[in-house]
Amino acid sequence: DAGITQSPRHKVTETGTPVTLRCHQTENHRYMYWYRQDPGHGLRLIHYSYGVKDTDKGEVSDGYSVSRSKTEDFLLTLESATSSQTSVYFCAIRATGEAFFGQGTRLTVV
Amino acid sequence: TQLLEQSPQFLSIQEGENLTVYCNSSSVFSSLQWYRQEPGEGPVLLVTVVTGGEVKKLKRLTFQFGDARKDSSLHITAAQPGDTGLYLCGWGGGTSYGKLTFGQGTILTVHP
Repeated sequence: DAGITQSPRHKVTETGTPVTLRCHQTENHRYMYWYRQDPGHGLRLIHYSYGVKDTDKGEVSDGYSVSRSKTEDFLLTLESATSSQTSVYFCAIRATGEAFFGQGTRLTVV
Repeated sequence: TQLLEQSPQFLSIQEGENLTVYCNSSSVFSSLQWYRQEPGEGPVLLVTVVTGGEVKKLKRLTFQFGDARKDSSLHITAAQPGDTGLYLCGWGGGTSYGKLTFGQGTILTVHP
């Protein structure tokens, strides 16, 4: 157990509203990641962080922003939610080459 | 470009059958990981293989790393319904490289 907690676990939001998902880790890992998982697409990297205030884009970063002001927290913000952002979002950390995931957030944009 | 190619994408079998899932690449890896994801949960690490030719066993699951460290396989003996899930191979990069890379996954369904 890598001590990763995602919140909320489920959220329904309206199109055009901002949404923030939170990932919290308890073990001081440097690298943190946000993925989305959709049928037929596998895990797709949105953004990742390699330290406090150090972030970089992944392959599907449009419409998303991230922030990491503390080692333990990595926030993912959907600036103006769209229906195409309905998905399951996973946070992960990397520890010596191995990934450990949170339980996911199921987001529905209506 | 998909760095890790998994096959097959879907596998539907009866309880008791054997199966193999493959993870292939044209690149050489320092290690490879295998994960299992059950519905409604995040992927969970099963094993890491490091040495070319290495074989690791986890109960009825056998993991092998290719001699050239470009490919890996997961073999399940006498599959059970509890083995149902998504199986992913992945690579966590070197000690300083940040990105994680995953195959597209194999969805396994084992019917009673």
